[in-house]
Amino acid sequence: IAGITQAPTSQILAAGRRMTLRCTQDMRHNAMYWYRQDLGLGLRLIHYSNTAGTTGKGEVPDGYSVSRANTDDFPLTLASAVPSQTSVYFCASSDSAGSSYGYTFGSGTRLTVV
Amino acid sequence: GQNIDQPTEMTATEGAIVQINCTYQTSGFNGLFWYQQHAGEAPTFLSYNVLDGLEEKGRFSSFLSRSKGYSYLLLKELQMKDSASYLCAVRDDNYQLIWGAGTKLIIKP
Repeated sequence: IAGITQAPTSQILAAGRRMTLRCTQDMRHNAMYWYRQDLGLGLRLIHYSNTAGTTGKGEVPDGYSVSRANTDDFPLTLASAVPSQTSVYFCASSDSAGSSYGYTFGSGTRLTVV
Repeated sequence: GQNIDQPTEMTATEGAIVQINCTYQTSGFNGLFWYQQHAGEAPTFLSYNVLDGLEEKGRFSSFLSRSKGYSYLLLKELQMKDSASYLCAVRDDNYQLIWGAGTKLIIKP
């Protein structure tokens, strides 16, 4: 692993099903983030974690939950998927919330809810 | 509310120079970032400005004026591989990044 790994790469999911998107980083970054990216809109923050054991809500948290049991992993769970959650999901990390080195992004998960 | 504005799309010629503008209104300011995103790929970090002025990195430069809420990304000696979307993001007083919708740059031979 080098950087951030997201899984799966893509998924078609039936509405109402539960799903967890996985995100693992090997850079020992303290801060991690989940974004969704929709056509014509900027990246929107779903949830974040400034350090292991803590999480916070972003701009669009409804319908999503996260956990941060350790530094490396930051899974995103959709409890009961709806079609409006069709999007590309990016996980990102940075060495701190105030870093000047920017975020490192995973390659994304393309999710389609039908 | 918080807002980041950048043009939706721009076209430029290979070998030329292009300037992509970004204006912002945010609750606080703790730095401005530019990212490049090729179609179907993840965003990658290009530059960071926190003080007024120009930061140069090879063919790419980024400028910031905090008093005007304005930044631009300047790309010189354009190459076909520079065809991508360019995202402007501002870190607000909660240390969260607020993102623009991105500028799709099309490079023509």
